[in-house]
Amino acid sequence: QQQVKQSPQSLIVQKGGISIINCAYENTAFDYFPWYQQFPGKGPALLIAIRPDVSEKKEGRFTISFNKSAKQFSLHIMDSQPGDSATYFCAASKNGNQFYFGTGTSLTVIP
Amino acid sequence: NAGVMQNPRHLVRRRGQEARLRCSPMKGHSHVYWYRQLPEEGLKFMVYLQKENIIDESGMPKERFSAEFPKEGPSILRIQQVVRGDSAAYFCASSPLRDSYGYTFGSGTRLTVV
Repeated sequence: QQQVKQSPQSLIVQKGGISIINCAYENTAFDYFPWYQQFPGKGPALLIAIRPDVSEKKEGRFTISFNKSAKQFSLHIMDSQPGDSATYFCAASKNGNQFYFGTGTSLTVIP
Repeated sequence: NAGVMQNPRHLVRRRGQEARLRCSPMKGHSHVYWYRQLPEEGLKFMVYLQKENIIDESGMPKERFSAEFPKEGPSILRIQQVVRGDSAAYFCASSPLRDSYGYTFGSGTRLTVV
């Protein structure tokens, strides 16, 4: 049973455009929602994270939007760059020890 | 400050052999987590260890898989009698505290079973 569902599976965006990746969860006990960025051959690296008591968090070009009532959260990458081409994973945790990951979105930013 | 170190980076084993994956956490981190990433899938939690203790092994397959984190040395994930389905990337993460929400992942070990 997939605890966190992620879409789309792949995404192609023009340079300068906005990339949007969506995730949905079921367990209302989750209290931490991070996004990870993974390049080929590397481990996932924490990009940005949010707690359910806020609806939005922005760090540079990356923004998380959180909708607690809908149990959904999304990552927005503004002014997407070719260097942003990577696989992005959303995740959720209820105690900070075990994370449930989405299945990933392969982002390609074309020049 | 070196990050989480995993070795080997790539490991090829024949069916029936044993695979040993090693993970050295970041300096000052005493909590280690192992995840498995199958092709085209997200990471799946396997086990959470502290020094000399297994805290949560709810994601470990019941047979052939074991993990340890001794007082001295790296954490070891051992897979006995490997099968083709064990082929995956295995990632280790570490954190300084329990319930810290702050993971740092290593670069992973890519296991191929032939």
